[in-house]
Amino acid sequence: SQQGEEDPQALSIQEGENATMNCSYKTSINNLQWYRQNSGRGLVHLILIRSNEREKHSGRLRVTLDTSKKSSSLLITASRAADTASYFCATPRNSGNTPLVFGKGTRLSVIA
Amino acid sequence: GAGVSQSPSNKVTEKGKDVELRCDPISGHTALYWYRQSLGQGLEFLIYFQGNSAPDKSGLPSDRFSAERTGGSVSTLTIQRTQQEDSAVYLCASSRENTEAFFGQGTRLTVV
Repeated sequence: SQQGEEDPQALSIQEGENATMNCSYKTSINNLQWYRQNSGRGLVHLILIRSNEREKHSGRLRVTLDTSKKSSSLLITASRAADTASYFCATPRNSGNTPLVFGKGTRLSVIA
Repeated sequence: GAGVSQSPSNKVTEKGKDVELRCDPISGHTALYWYRQSLGQGLEFLIYFQGNSAPDKSGLPSDRFSAERTGGSVSTLTIQRTQQEDSAVYLCASSRENTEAFFGQGTRLTVV
């Protein structure tokens, strides 16, 4: 069952611009995570934000979480060609120890 | 090992044959997940193991799919009587409780 949905499905920007991706989810969560995938293989964890946090930074990444709207955003600042990848949000399906459920992802293309 | 290891990395099998996919999680990780990803699609949850709890098998698409996790470590995903629609990349991940998941590089299964 789908928990998170990313928006947009695809995004193309010029190098140096900022990229913003959004994620909406359905049920209450204790955390939300963002992942990156290159070349259709293993995903790499980027950042985890807990339900009691509103914003979190990691390098050029900034994640926000609005639990009242059940939404999150991932901002990549000063994008580079190497940022080209698919980005997924993931949330536990239900409360407690439950599996992570992923959205369909946003395909980001950064053009040099 | 340093990360999640999956084998084989690629598998081509004939329709109707059984296949076994293996996942070696990170030592000490209590949670183990299996996902399936078709080309250009999101991650489809298959099965989730957490410690000694009964596995969450709710994502398995049919009774041809089964998985086990021996000794709380290595996991094997078995697909019986493979069909062409089973062709996909099968991804395994492990994590500590309620933290980020670490993914293997996946097994690309092709059913011909």
